[in-house]
Amino acid sequence: NAGVMQNPRHLVRRRGQEARLRCSPMKGHSHVYWYRQLPEEGLKFMVYLQKENIIDESGMPKERFSAEFPKEGPSILRIQQVVRGDSAAYFCASTPGVWTEAFFGQGTRLTVV
Amino acid sequence: DQQVKQNSPSLSVQEGRISILNCDYTNSMFDYFLWYKKYPAEGPTFLISISSIKDKNEDGRFTVFLNKSAKHLSLHIVPSQPGDSAVYFCAASGSGGGADGLTFGKGTHLIIQP
Repeated sequence: NAGVMQNPRHLVRRRGQEARLRCSPMKGHSHVYWYRQLPEEGLKFMVYLQKENIIDESGMPKERFSAEFPKEGPSILRIQQVVRGDSAAYFCASTPGVWTEAFFGQGTRLTVV
Repeated sequence: DQQVKQNSPSLSVQEGRISILNCDYTNSMFDYFLWYKKYPAEGPTFLISISSIKDKNEDGRFTVFLNKSAKHLSLHIVPSQPGDSAVYFCAASGSGGGADGLTFGKGTHLIIQP
């Protein structure tokens, strides 16, 4: 049973470009969560999705950031017009339900130059 | 405003001794607490958890203690092994255990010295 898969592992974007981060949850998991870790910081919750639904996006910046988890395919975290402050490690986690521990992917390290 | 605090950025312990990692929280609505371990360039991996109805949970070398009145929890690792060297994150949830809005501390870098 493969774990949570994130790609790419490393992503370099110039300021103003778009960044797309992908997350395939573990088999059988229908709940996906995105977290961001800034340098010297803990992990900050961004958004919680179930298939085709955003359940909680209270941690996501109101502008430039969006997330989806379509019926088929991976969850996508999209950052438009990236700025240097978006440079961080972005982690995806999945669970089969609400009342279980989350399993994390290896993360995508985004660098904005 | 940090709701989950890990006040020690790093901790150095000799191999074979006990490692004690501490975590404080401020939100009394938190009812489920988790510890994650993270190696460089990898995602966090779940280690152990505790519900607010308990004050202790043990799993092999790892024990988590919860003091609700003090809003404090700690992770004990005994005996400490070289492979335990990693960053440990304390996390808390108010939803009963799911990752929905897990609040993480900044982490403590545990270094096990031979």
